[in-house]
Amino acid sequence: DADVTQTPRNRITKTGKRIMLECSQTKGHDRMYWYRQDPGLGLRLIYYSFDVKDINKGEISDGYSVSRQAQAKFSLSLESAIPNQTALYFCATSVPGLDTGELFFGEGSRLTVL
Amino acid sequence: AQSVAQPEDQVNVAEGNPLTVKCTYSVSGNPYLFWYVQYPNRGLQFLLKYITGDNLVKGSYGFEAEFNKSQTSFHLKKPSALVSDSALYFCAVRENYGQNFVFGPGTRLSVLP
Repeated sequence: DADVTQTPRNRITKTGKRIMLECSQTKGHDRMYWYRQDPGLGLRLIYYSFDVKDINKGEISDGYSVSRQAQAKFSLSLESAIPNQTALYFCATSVPGLDTGELFFGEGSRLTVL
Repeated sequence: AQSVAQPEDQVNVAEGNPLTVKCTYSVSGNPYLFWYVQYPNRGLQFLLKYITGDNLVKGSYGFEAEFNKSQTSFHLKKPSALVSDSALYFCAVRENYGQNFVFGPGTRLSVLP
């Protein structure tokens, strides 16, 4: 089983609909992240959370919200989806510490907004 | 602000030949540098990192990278490419004492049989 699990893996929706992408992890990491991948742009950070009570905006948080329901769960919501939110979304986890710190990614959730 | 550049969108190499995927970075403090690989329909997988110490870092699948502070570069290398190395490669930087990673745009590597 994957250590970082994202659901759904693929979703097609219409403009204006509310969408939730869910992420759960079994790695026991405190830190969780949501990234968006667009061709030619790499990965851009949407939101991150260093523990259940800590939520922070990333580079491109407008139009998104998140919820950290537990240490292991971090959900991303699009309240009213628009076509330019069509992208591949990744959840990731990491451990604190300057000598480690690599990210562990889920398999991705591909979202298409028509 | 941190930034990462990967100057080549695409790198083509013949199987068995050495490969290099280039990365340059900009940070105000000490850099923590990473390479990730993404296979089709998969998440990113960690390959290697430079934190401190030896400038030549060895990682997974026979890959290595060389940190060059004066040129602010962290190029990914492999002595002999395999067709199975074909994938999208991302360089990322995390600033010393900073909180977040900044990714480059990615370089697509194609290894031709």
